[in-house]
Amino acid sequence: AQTVTQSQPEMSVQEAETVTLSCTYDTSESDYYLFWYKQPPSRQMILVIRQEAYKQQNATENRFSVNFQKAAKSFSLKISDSQLGDAAMYFCAYRSPAYSGNTPLVFGKGTRLSVIA
Amino acid sequence: EAGVAQSPRYKIIEKRQSVAFWCNPISGHATLYWYQQILGQGPKLLIQFQNNGVVDDSQLPKDRFSAERLKGVDSTLKIQPAKLEDSAVYLCASGLGTQYFGPGTRLLVL
Repeated sequence: AQTVTQSQPEMSVQEAETVTLSCTYDTSESDYYLFWYKQPPSRQMILVIRQEAYKQQNATENRFSVNFQKAAKSFSLKISDSQLGDAAMYFCAYRSPAYSGNTPLVFGKGTRLSVIA
Repeated sequence: EAGVAQSPRYKIIEKRQSVAFWCNPISGHATLYWYQQILGQGPKLLIQFQNNGVVDDSQLPKDRFSAERLKGVDSTLKIQPAKLEDSAVYLCASGLGTQYFGPGTRLLVL
């Protein structure tokens, strides 16, 4: 079974600075998908960024980018120019390929990010 | 495009009572998931539907939890009887490539 580990329960960053959240995972599959979700205090889970394992290029979405190291099974999230609205729980998640049929997300325990004004 | 809808948003019950949660997925999404999120943890899958069929319910405590998706659209998750440890947020999600989540139902069992 796949597992996802987030080793940083809490992180803080100054407004406008850059922060990196860590995530490692364990799998025997070669094809899979990785995600970062954001969950603000209102609890609506929002997709931040997605990475397909077959793509070597790291995904980027505006101020959010990932460092995907497939051999090391590492998938970190970098947030640049941090804003107060970035404060939330961040979850790293793994999903098997669609052709496997069974495709729930496997989540890490989350990292709580605080942004200091 | 409307998102995933869930109701109620909050529910407080006493142990041994029953409770039901409702989810309406994004239109056209055949795959629907129910996750349980206990405070301080990441969500964990309870059940996955493909249309109105169950794909995976291996983590569903079937002695007290049940779920259905009769017409392949809306879904209902029921707990009967509830235990203290069922206090959690119950999240519904839909989509196959990327999953989109509803706002969740926060359940408190006293």
